[in-house]
Amino acid sequence: GDSVTQMEGPVTLSEEAFLTINCTYTATGYPSLFWYVQYPGEGLQLLLKATKADDKGSNKGFEATYRKETTSFHLEKGSVQVSDSAVYFCALSGSNFGNEKLTFGTGTRLTIIP
Amino acid sequence: DAGITQSPRHKVTETGTPVTLRCHQTENHRYMYWYRQDPGHGLRLIHYSYGVKDTDKGEVSDGYSVSRSKTEDFLLTLESATSSQTSVYFCAISVSGNTIYFGEGSWLTVV
Repeated sequence: GDSVTQMEGPVTLSEEAFLTINCTYTATGYPSLFWYVQYPGEGLQLLLKATKADDKGSNKGFEATYRKETTSFHLEKGSVQVSDSAVYFCALSGSNFGNEKLTFGTGTRLTIIP
Repeated sequence: DAGITQSPRHKVTETGTPVTLRCHQTENHRYMYWYRQDPGHGLRLIHYSYGVKDTDKGEVSDGYSVSRSKTEDFLLTLESATSSQTSVYFCAISVSGNTIYFGEGSWLTVV
């Protein structure tokens, strides 16, 4: 079945550092890929998505490129801020149009120190 | 904000009691989902619905039932709560464009 493997946390970085959170997937067909962010005590917010190979999703300075050849969707940001501290989830949805059941990775907790 | 409301937001209940969580959406989206979030597991799908009275099981459906009598409401019921069902429960809806939006979560503690 479908699965998502993402970088184990926690990850601690200094403000303005470069961020990479790795995500790889296993899926049949042509899944869509997502990054969600969860701030303390809140629900999940969609951060970015990509629906086909070589697509780049971007939002709030974060980027991720759908790499079919390496089955990866790594999250990057050039200069992190304290406000980026959160848990980040990589997810995929299968190719069943209209029923986008998500398969999640286990999440990566990110802490940014001033 | 995708117009999703979950209730209750927090609940403590005793082992063996029934519990119902409600998810309400303000728009007529067809697909609705219930997930649970646990440390080390990310989010896992419990049940989902593809229309009124149309539901199906997800990855971790044992011990849970659901009902959808109206488009806007999707109920998750724990018939007899157990400590292993202590978790954070998230409702989600699928919006056009292949994107799923989540509610703010319901924190359930079974003691």
